[in-house]
Amino acid sequence: SQTIHQWPATLVQPVGSPLSLECTVEGTSNPNLYWYRQAAGRGLQLLFYSVGIGQISSEVPQNLSASRPQDRQFILSSKKLLLSDSGFYLCACMETRALSGRGSSPLHFGNGTRLTVT
Amino acid sequence: AQSVSQHNHHVILSEAASLELGCNYSYGGTVNLFWYVQYPGQHLQLLLKYFSGDPLVKGIKGFEAEFIKSKFSFNLRKPSVQWSDTAEYFCAAGSGSARQLTFGSGTQLTVLP
Repeated sequence: SQTIHQWPATLVQPVGSPLSLECTVEGTSNPNLYWYRQAAGRGLQLLFYSVGIGQISSEVPQNLSASRPQDRQFILSSKKLLLSDSGFYLCACMETRALSGRGSSPLHFGNGTRLTVT
Repeated sequence: AQSVSQHNHHVILSEAASLELGCNYSYGGTVNLFWYVQYPGQHLQLLLKYFSGDPLVKGIKGFEAEFIKSKFSFNLRKPSVQWSDTAEYFCAAGSGSARQLTFGSGTQLTVLP
């Protein structure tokens, strides 16, 4: 089964500073990868997803960007953080081998990164 | 547009009470449905899923959910909750060909000992 590594677990950054959150996946190949933001009372908001190296789909226009330099690595970035970027960021993985003919498969989540922008 | 609604934001129960958390979805075509649970300080975990077949789905830890197509609902149930069930519960849906899931806003369940 997959293991998702996310770091750091917590991060405090000043407004205007850059951001880089990293997510790596073990135990599967060619997964779909996702970045979600979880806000209290608002559920999980999909930010980006990737179906392959270099392929990024953005769901919500914002101050953030994502990259997938390797098959099992997904990075969330910002050049200049805003106060509104504070939140809990989750990386998730979906196995693609289970997708054919069956549609959506379960997502497996990392432990998340709590980002506070001050 | 696809959407998932969880109308109960916070539910408080005593141990041994029965639980039902509501989930309604708005999706065209084939839908896959999921319930996730997030215990305090832990990551999101899959509780159960529905793809097709028997609309009554059994999950881990005694949870079950019923898919009622006519009501666009996938409510989560447990006959007798325990203090350890205190967590946040998320309903999610994906269409037949989707590579992504849409999540509800979550329901915080507090079980009093």
